Amino acid sequence: AQKITQTQPGMFVQEKEAVTLDCTYDTSDQSYGLFWYKQPSSGEMIFLIYQGSYDEQNATEGRYSLNFQKARKSANLVISASQLGDSAMYFCAMRDSSSYDKVIFGPGTSLSVIP
Amino acid sequence: DSGVTQTPKHLITATGQRVTLRCSPRSGDLSVYWYQQSLDQGLQFLIQYYNGEERAKGNILERFSAQQFPDLHSELNLSSLELGDSALYFCASSVVPLAGWPRETQYFGPGTRLLVL
Repeated sequence: AQKITQTQPGMFVQEKEAVTLDCTYDTSDQSYGLFWYKQPSSGEMIFLIYQGSYDEQNATEGRYSLNFQKARKSANLVISASQLGDSAMYFCAMRDSSSYDKVIFGPGTSLSVIP
Repeated sequence: DSGVTQTPKHLITATGQRVTLRCSPRSGDLSVYWYQQSLDQGLQFLIQYYNGEERAKGNILERFSAQQFPDLHSELNLSSLELGDSALYFCASSVVPLAGWPRETQYFGPGTRLLVL
């Protein structure tokens, strides 16, 4: 069965520093997609970045990049030059052929950026 | 702004009551998904509709039902409400399930915060 694990319930990072949020996943499929979402205290879910299992390069979107290690089944989110506005919950999620019509979410990591 | 709208933003009701949550997907999106986010259960997929038809079902209780109308807006009906139903309910939309899979991204609405007293 598909599963997403985020082992860091809470993280702190100094403003302007980089931070890595961990995500490991479990699937038996060869074709799947991985997503990261941000949920600030206001509650909305904001899509950040996508990585496909067949993508040869790690995904990047502005200050967000994804450290994709397929053999280890990990898809860590790297946020560079952290800003105070990055303080939020971050969710890793996955879709594979077993969950074709839905996305499975991990438990989330709470990130706090310290001035 | 994701383009997905949800009403109401907040809802306070009593146990045993019935409520309806409404969602309008982004323009052009045919799929609508409903999620429940609670402190103890995290983000749980409830149900998906595609172009008016139910397409996938998750951890949705029998007391809950949903539908998608011809104009593609969707409603989630919650009945015989219990204290444990208090949660943030999200609607998300995406274009077409098949095209661009698995890259297709869901865009979330702002959520409806339900409090059952």
